Amino acid sequence: AQSVTQPDIHITVSEGASLELRCNYSYGATPYLFWYVQSPGQGLQLLLKYFSGDTLVQGIKGFEAEFKRSQSSFNLRKPSVHWSDAAEYFCAVTSGTYKYIFGTGTRLKVLA
Amino acid sequence: EPEVTQTPSHQVTQMGQEVILRCVPISNHLYFYWYRQILGQKVEFLVSFYNNEISEKSEIFDDQFSVERPDGSNFTLKIRSTKLEDSAMYFCASSDRRVTDTQYFGPGTRLTVL
Repeated sequence: AQSVTQPDIHITVSEGASLELRCNYSYGATPYLFWYVQSPGQGLQLLLKYFSGDTLVQGIKGFEAEFKRSQSSFNLRKPSVHWSDAAEYFCAVTSGTYKYIFGTGTRLKVLA
Repeated sequence: EPEVTQTPSHQVTQMGQEVILRCVPISNHLYFYWYRQILGQKVEFLVSFYNNEISEKSEIFDDQFSVERPDGSNFTLKIRSTKLEDSAMYFCASSDRRVTDTQYFGPGTRLTVL
């Protein structure tokens, strides 16, 4: 069965520091991968997605993610975190059916 | 920028009551979805809807749940007889095409069943 694992429930970083949020998936075929962000009281906003091609994808707000098939990973990175990045981040995968499968999320706290 | 909207933002109901959660998808989208997130748990797929019929549903989406597109703009989720365990955040999403198109999510409706 397909699954998505986000091993870090909470991450705290200082403003200006770099960030990496981990995402591992379990799926036999090539997955379609997404990162969404949820700010308090807001819906899920798409940061970036990977369908095929270049394994390093750029997203909004300065985020990027790298698809590594050998590691079944799709980690999200940002070189310099801003206080406004504090939110919950969800990795999701779909195999080409209608449903997305989400990870449990990583809550990011940014220290001033 | 077009966005998915949901009403109400918070719904409180008594166990056994019927609730209808409403969504207005992005206007040119053809595929519609409901997800839910129980507090502290992951976002879970409930159902997808295309061409006025359910295209896929999860095991969570039992006979107590139904979806409808009553007009050209709204998409609703009905829970016939709510249970305590239905308390969750319910997200609506829409997409233009299947598979390769992104699902755009609304802000959610928090359902509290007492």
